[in-house]
Amino acid sequence: GAGVSQTPSNKVTEKGKYVELRCDPISGHTALYWYRQSLGQGPEFLIYFQGTGAADDSGLPNDRFFAVRPEGSVSTLKIQRTERGDSAVYLCASSPWGTSGANVLTFGAGSRLTVL
Amino acid sequence: SQQGEEDPQALSIQEGENATMNCSYKTSINNLQWYRQNSGRGLVHLILIRSNEREKHSGRLRVTLDTSKKSSSLLITASRAADTASYFCATVFLTGTASKLTFGTGTRLQVTL
Repeated sequence: GAGVSQTPSNKVTEKGKYVELRCDPISGHTALYWYRQSLGQGPEFLIYFQGTGAADDSGLPNDRFFAVRPEGSVSTLKIQRTERGDSAVYLCASSPWGTSGANVLTFGAGSRLTVL
Repeated sequence: SQQGEEDPQALSIQEGENATMNCSYKTSINNLQWYRQNSGRGLVHLILIRSNEREKHSGRLRVTLDTSKKSSSLLITASRAADTASYFCATVFLTGTASKLTFGTGTRLQVTL
């Protein structure tokens, strides 16, 4: 696609529910990132995919968070047993991986998650 | 965790003035990038400076990097109301095939007419 698409744009759920957030990156971008942004803060790294595999998942806060990218394009961030503290904007970004390492990210508009 | 700290946290200037934002970081980097975020939207890449570069220009933007002090600055000249946004620095550290961008806390810039 022309840009990074994230769905849903807004999600309101109740504490304890399961949530899936989807990211459709720019076609051909092999690198895909998930970040979380709380109000007034900078984006906080969650996980990074290179192709289908998670190259770095050190930012996932706990085992309730999981992300997949089975075919190396679309990615889904899954959150189990949601807690009020999970409320934030979840940002996805993609990048064409280059050997120069100059990874410039293109971000989606984000999915705003509110846990009541 | 957030590696970069931007300074100031908030900046209010009048149209036509210059705006300077600073970023300090903690570990060695491969490159440093600046991004802009309008309220309620995703981030947009502005400029990248590599660790072996000291200064970079792009239009009204000027970025400097001092690796000995682990700091960078972003200068926006002749600011416009449309420059009102939050600005974030992001540091990149390469480990093998992994390239993770770590963002700072941001500077909120308000440009008034």
